[in-house]
Amino acid sequence: EVQLVESGGGLVKPGGSLRLSCAASGFTFSSYSMNWVRQAPGKGLEWVSSISSSSSYIYYADSVKGRFTISRDNAKNSLYLQMNSLRAEDTAVYYCARMGTGLYFDYWGQGTLVTVSS
Amino acid sequence: QSALTQPASVSGSPGQSITISCTGTSSDVGSYNLVSWYQQHPGKAPKLMIYEVSKRPSGVSNRFSGSKSGNTASLTISGLQAEDEADYYCCSYAGSSTSSFGTGTKVTVL
Repeated sequence: EVQLVESGGGLVKPGGSLRLSCAASGFTFSSYSMNWVRQAPGKGLEWVSSISSSSSYIYYADSVKGRFTISRDNAKNSLYLQMNSLRAEDTAVYYCARMGTGLYFDYWGQGTLVTVSS
Repeated sequence: QSALTQPASVSGSPGQSITISCTGTSSDVGSYNLVSWYQQHPGKAPKLMIYEVSKRPSGVSNRFSGSKSGNTASLTISGLQAEDEADYYCCSYAGSSTSSFGTGTKVTVL
């Protein structure tokens, strides 16, 4: 059974940093591209970033480019999101999602809440 | 990376069919057959319902179907059931390895 479990969320002050983690199991992690998708409270879904299976290709939404860094450790079956210079508008539930072969998100974690507030 | 446009809400009675539209542009929905749909119940993670415009993942009811015409994709739910009440989001590949989600539609079963 595919499982994605996020951790690392919490309360952080504007301008601060946070590192999210996603532990994957139940599939060959090193064979799939992975993504972060976020959802602000009461709002819709927003794609944040993606990383290819071997970390060769990395992409970001314009809203986080230059502030967030996605990475992965295939030996540890883990995905990460380093978030710096956090803003109030980054407040959201952050989901880890596996990317299927046709550029769709076929499995999602339960999410971890990031709150940016003074 | 602009959000795709969906109606805020759609409702129907049990057994009826409803259709949710997802309007993009010639740079996303219109250019690629890479539209997917997600169902999200309150407090839960999204679930993939349709991918590549009209394909259903294993385990998803055949009451859910997808289509596309020009810059607009659609999700149809036939034989509406109480458990279909949820938020639904479309998503499209938008070029340069980015994805755009729709604004979301709340489906209410009357």
